Amino acid sequence: DTEVTQTPKHLVMGMTNKKSLKCEQHMGHRAMYWYKQKAKKPPELMFVYSYEKLSINESVPSRFSPECPNSSLLNLHLHALQPEDSALYLCASSQGVTSSYEQYFGPGTRLTVT
Amino acid sequence: DAKTTQPNSMESNEEEPVHLPCNHSTISGTDYIHWYRQLPSQGPEYVIHGLTSNVNNRMASLAIAEDRKSSTLILHRATLRDAAVYYCILAPLHRDMRFGAGTRLTVKP
Repeated sequence: DTEVTQTPKHLVMGMTNKKSLKCEQHMGHRAMYWYKQKAKKPPELMFVYSYEKLSINESVPSRFSPECPNSSLLNLHLHALQPEDSALYLCASSQGVTSSYEQYFGPGTRLTVT
Repeated sequence: DAKTTQPNSMESNEEEPVHLPCNHSTISGTDYIHWYRQLPSQGPEYVIHGLTSNVNNRMASLAIAEDRKSSTLILHRATLRDAAVYYCILAPLHRDMRFGAGTRLTVKP
């Protein structure tokens, strides 16, 4: 099974709301990633977790807060977002963080901030 | 960071082979070459990756130039379902992947 699942598929939230995106994998992978993809643009890396510890934060604003409760789960907590944060949020996982491993992506959560 | 150069778009005919080029003249010795594709309204999908030698899997083949400054993704027999954006990515061994603009492949019936 090479599946990464993401919930919800779609999310609409106001600028004062707090919401969370969830990602799950059961491949025993120890690295998990959050990417952001704006329309007609390539994915941009946001965060990398390795063995449940944050290893990379690509200068993402603090209104995005990642969490890795265990090796299978990755959350992205959202608070006080702006309309320009509307995008497709992609989760991925891999066996490890070195580039000798391939990444498996989920289908994404399409977020709209109103 | 080493960068890749890909054509913005390519067209192919169904059931014919497709060769998608990627230039990476500033590649370093420990950079892996990864290819992913993204179908409309889906997350990226892993296609293939390699370091120095050519690689084959059930989806495609990866031909890496001897000097590693370029590579080619080969789809042996294109189908309509292969229409996607194909990303060639250089990934340093101990660093993360960064996506470039990719090549939009159109497959004509």
